[in-house]
Amino acid sequence: DAGVIQSPRHEVTEMGQEVTLRCKPISGHNSLFWYRQTMMRGLELLIYFNNNVPIDDSGMPEDRFSAKMPNASFSTLKIQPSEPRDSAVYFCASSLGTAFSYEQYFGPGTRLTVT
Amino acid sequence: TQLLEQSPQFLSIQEGENLTVYCNSSSVFSSLQWYRQEPGEGPVLLVTVVTGGEVKKLKRLTFQFGDARKDSSLHITAAQPGDTGLYLCAGKDPRDDKIIFGKGTRLHILP
Repeated sequence: DAGVIQSPRHEVTEMGQEVTLRCKPISGHNSLFWYRQTMMRGLELLIYFNNNVPIDDSGMPEDRFSAKMPNASFSTLKIQPSEPRDSAVYFCASSLGTAFSYEQYFGPGTRLTVT
Repeated sequence: TQLLEQSPQFLSIQEGENLTVYCNSSSVFSSLQWYRQEPGEGPVLLVTVVTGGEVKKLKRLTFQFGDARKDSSLHITAAQPGDTGLYLCAGKDPRDDKIIFGKGTRLHILP
C-alpha cells in the first residue's frame, strides 16, 4: 500500500521565488497535516485539514505561507515569496478520523533550501 | 504554550549497552506518543501511552508514562545498530487535543 507521497523530495530555490510543495495522503484518510522541522525548533505543526477543510492554521508563520486541499487526495503548501529562514524539511501527514485522535502517518518530507 | 523537553539531545553508545532517554514537561498531557525518525524519512509511531504510570513494551523497548502524566521515558535494552535514529516524544494537549513534539534525542549505536 502506498503511504503518504510528497513531492518534490528536494527543492533549492532563490530568495523571493515561489515554492509549492505537494502531498498525496493515504487513500481513505480524512485528516491531513503540514509540519515543518528544523534543528532549532524541532517539528512544528503549520496547518491541518479535516475533510478538505482547514481547521487550524495558527501554526502558519506568516502570510507568505498558504495551504490548500482542493480534494481528498491532494494538498499543497505554498511559500511566496520564499526567504532563507524558510529552509527546513516540510512533512505532510495523514490520519483516519478527526484531528489528532488517530495515528498520523508521515510522508518522507521535502527538504527546502532557500539561498 | 506547552513544551516538551527531551534529554539527552545526543547519545552515542556501543552495541549491547542499555540506555534511557527522557521526555519532560511542566504540563499535563492526555496522552503521549513516541516516534522514531530515520534519516530522509518521516517519523514513525512506536507507541501511545494514555494512563498515568502506564508501561508498554515493544521488544527491547520499554516506554513509561509518568504517574502525573507530565513526563515519559524510553528504555532500550541491549541496543543494536538498527536502533539508531531520532526519537521524538509528542504529547496531546488536553485543552485542544493538539499534539506537541519535543525536539528529539538523536541516538547512535556503534557496532
